[in-house]
Amino acid sequence: GEDVEQSLFLSVREGDSSVINCTYTDSSSTYLYWYKQEPGAGLQLLTYIFSNMDMKQDQRLTVLLNKKDKHLSLRIADTQTGDSAIYFCAEMTGGYQKVTFGIGTKLQVIP
Amino acid sequence: NAGVTQTPKFRVLKTGQSMTLLCAQDMNHEYMYWYRQDPGMGLRLIHYSVGEGTTAKGEVPDGYNVSRLKKQNFLLGLESAAPSQTSVYFCASGQAGGADTQYFGPGTRLTVL
Repeated sequence: GEDVEQSLFLSVREGDSSVINCTYTDSSSTYLYWYKQEPGAGLQLLTYIFSNMDMKQDQRLTVLLNKKDKHLSLRIADTQTGDSAIYFCAEMTGGYQKVTFGIGTKLQVIP
Repeated sequence: NAGVTQTPKFRVLKTGQSMTLLCAQDMNHEYMYWYRQDPGMGLRLIHYSVGEGTTAKGEVPDGYNVSRLKKQNFLLGLESAAPSQTSVYFCASGQAGGADTQYFGPGTRLTVL
């Protein structure tokens, strides 16, 4: 079955890099995603990676995918206080666009 | 474009009362979803729809019903609310193909006393 696991909390200093990790179990995942949720708001797609890729870079964001270990990470360079939020890892499996979400990692950025 | 909107934003119910949450999207998406978000449990799929007039059960459908009479609207109903349904409810929509990303509404915070 599908299961997505993430650590609950990460604290970094402003200007440092943040790395949020995620593991998933379904090797048939086609896409893996990172969503961001700010307080009182819905989830917003940050970036995604197709399963045949091992890295994707988008400005300050770098996604690394290790299919062998079923490990996904999100690196945020030069972390800012505006990056404080909950970050959800998610995988897409199944024919009806089924997406399984992790429980979210709360990123706290210390000024 | 407003994207995905949800009404109401907040609601307090008594046990046994009924209510309907409305989700609307103006992106002409085929797929729509209802999730609930609870502390320590992430998002769980309640029901979803792959097109107008269709609905299907997700991971936690018990106690909820849905309808998709119009493509742009997806309604979530609670016939007899229970305290276990206290949660934040999110609607999302998406289009098949490509990365199939989902676009989320701002959420409805429901408390059942």
